[in-house]
Amino acid sequence: ETGVTQTPRHLVMGMTNKKSLKCEQHLGHNAMYWYKQSAKKPLELMFVYNFKEQTENNSVPSRFSPECPNSSHLFLHLHTLQPEDSALYLCASSPSSEETQYFGPGTRLLVL
Amino acid sequence: TQLLEQSPQFLSIQEGENLTVYCNSSSVFSSLQWYRQEPGEGPVLLVTVVTGGEVKKLKRLTFQFGDARKDSSLHITAAQPGDTGLYLCAGQVGSSNTGKLIFGQGTTLQVKP
Repeated sequence: ETGVTQTPRHLVMGMTNKKSLKCEQHLGHNAMYWYKQSAKKPLELMFVYNFKEQTENNSVPSRFSPECPNSSHLFLHLHTLQPEDSALYLCASSPSSEETQYFGPGTRLLVL
Repeated sequence: TQLLEQSPQFLSIQEGENLTVYCNSSSVFSSLQWYRQEPGEGPVLLVTVVTGGEVKKLKRLTFQFGDARKDSSLHITAAQPGDTGLYLCAGQVGSSNTGKLIFGQGTTLQVKP
């Protein structure tokens, strides 16, 4: 399944860096999501966008800033991250916010 | 806080054995998905169950949704090394239109040849 793509696949950054993660879906879906997956913890929902509007912010620190310019693209802007932010960041999309979600391959992030 | 308890967390079995993974919650879900994830990749959808009591089969995998839509199970018959991976269940919050999925912690399955 290559309907949801994410770049970069791997990222190493210092705590003072600014970087962005990109997600693109080619499925014609209207809802897009960011998740964080850390070791030994369940997948954590971060943000939900439905028709380009943010409908959920799951108490995410402001050093993570999402952007959804259109229904096909989703960004996660990163600024002054902490080492504990190191994780696999997954993007997903679904036809609508109540339907099954399809995941991208993720970006493995390491914050030094 | 809505929780989805998945068990067991780890399972190591020999090829040909059968196994069952359980997913339990005190919350009612409008639907429940099962995903399989390989190292370094995103979760891949296996099945979605919607109706209480529903049973779906995918080759050697059998998925069941509890009558009350609070729990689910995944049964694998005659496991193969290719079944190795992380199995995740995820429940769709009932009346929400925000797309909130609640994930279990996952079951890491290792099938030895």
